[in-house]
Amino acid sequence: DADVTQTPRNRITKTGKRIMLECSQTKGHDRMYWYRQDPGLGLRLIYYSFDVKDINKGEISDGYSVSRQAQAKFSLSLESAIPNQTALYFCATSDLDRNEQFFGPGTRLTVL
Amino acid sequence: GENVEQHPSTLSVQEGDSAVIKCTYSDSASNYFPWYKQELGKRPQLIIDIRSNVGEKKDQRIAVTLNKTAKHFSLHITETQPEDSAVYFCAATKGSSGTYKYIFGTGTRLKVLA
Repeated sequence: DADVTQTPRNRITKTGKRIMLECSQTKGHDRMYWYRQDPGLGLRLIYYSFDVKDINKGEISDGYSVSRQAQAKFSLSLESAIPNQTALYFCATSDLDRNEQFFGPGTRLTVL
Repeated sequence: GENVEQHPSTLSVQEGDSAVIKCTYSDSASNYFPWYKQELGKRPQLIIDIRSNVGEKKDQRIAVTLNKTAKHFSLHITETQPEDSAVYFCAATKGSSGTYKYIFGTGTRLKVLA
């Protein structure tokens, strides 16, 4: 089945380290998104990309950067991780014809 | 800026009773309103959605209503079952064919008590 996958699924790191979270999809969708989920705050958009040459900031992009290496791959980087970036991170995709977003399984990141 | 408010943050109901979750959006140009269900440890998944040209949509035990004038929409679950226990998120977006970003509500944790 076509799917959205994320690696790693869990990561513990230390303050100041550089971290990359990867997202791959086999759905053939053009649109890809990175969200952060915190208890009581819902899903907040970090970055989104509508095609390989298009990158847009979301509502909480500070401290994060992204790379759209191909239609199927969208990576999120934390250049210098800090403890308040501890959260559950979701990648999502959507296609041109439908508004539905398909989420990956999530990456639980802990910054000590 | 654009905002979606969701209430309540937690909701407990007895099995068989109905549950209602409400969301209010700020951008009057929003035209697509999905609801996502997230079970414990799982990814969010779409359960129902509604577009701005429709006032109500139903799918078995779940329904969504939209009041464009008041800028609010609601999720209704009837005859609740233990498997309905999850976190539910509403969202709003605008533009055709997903050309704009989603704004999610903060979520409602629904507990269905057996």
